[in-house]
Amino acid sequence: AQSVTQLDSHVSVSEGTPVLLRCNYSSSYSPSLFWYVQHPNKGLQLLLKYTSAATLVKGINGFEAEFKKSETSFHLTKPSAHMSDAAEYFCVVSGDNQGGKLIFGQGTELSVKP
Amino acid sequence: DAGVTQSPTHLIKTRGQQVTLRCSPKSGHDTVSWYQQALGQGPQFIFQYYEEEERQRGNFPDRFSGHQFPNYSSELNVNALLLGDSALYLCASSLGLGDRYEQYFGPGTRLTVT
Repeated sequence: AQSVTQLDSHVSVSEGTPVLLRCNYSSSYSPSLFWYVQHPNKGLQLLLKYTSAATLVKGINGFEAEFKKSETSFHLTKPSAHMSDAAEYFCVVSGDNQGGKLIFGQGTELSVKP
Repeated sequence: DAGVTQSPTHLIKTRGQQVTLRCSPKSGHDTVSWYQQALGQGPQFIFQYYEEEERQRGNFPDRFSGHQFPNYSSELNVNALLLGDSALYLCASSLGLGDRYEQYFGPGTRLTVT
């Protein structure tokens, strides 16, 4: 069965410092992996997607993630945090290789201090 | 171009009642998925509709049912409401089945069961 584990429920950084949000996955086949962001009172937005092409995936707003099969990890990074990055972030794995069912992690709340 | 829209925004119901939530997909999208997001949790997949048929279903009881109309809009029905059904219900649409198609999420319907 597919699953994801987000290793931190809350991460706090200062504006201008790097961001690292950690995610490990479990999959019985080569998975598709995603990071979504959820701002308060707004819908979920796709940040980036890995689908077995390049292992380093670049997304919107300066975020990127690296797929590491040997470590079963898909950590999200950003070189320099901005106040507008404060939100809830979800690591997501496709539930199967056909239908598009998404399995979400528990989420990591990112706080950005001025 | 309107994105995914959901109605109503908020809803308060009493235990044992029935509720219907509505979703209009993004223009051109023919696949609709529903997710339940309890407070402080990641979204959980309820079911997915394509060509007016339920294609996949998550681990939700039969009290949860749905429908997709010829114009691709969708309804989620929940019967015999329980306190535990209180959550944010998210609708997502995509261009087709499979995780190669990005899922676009609506802002959700906040359901409170008292």
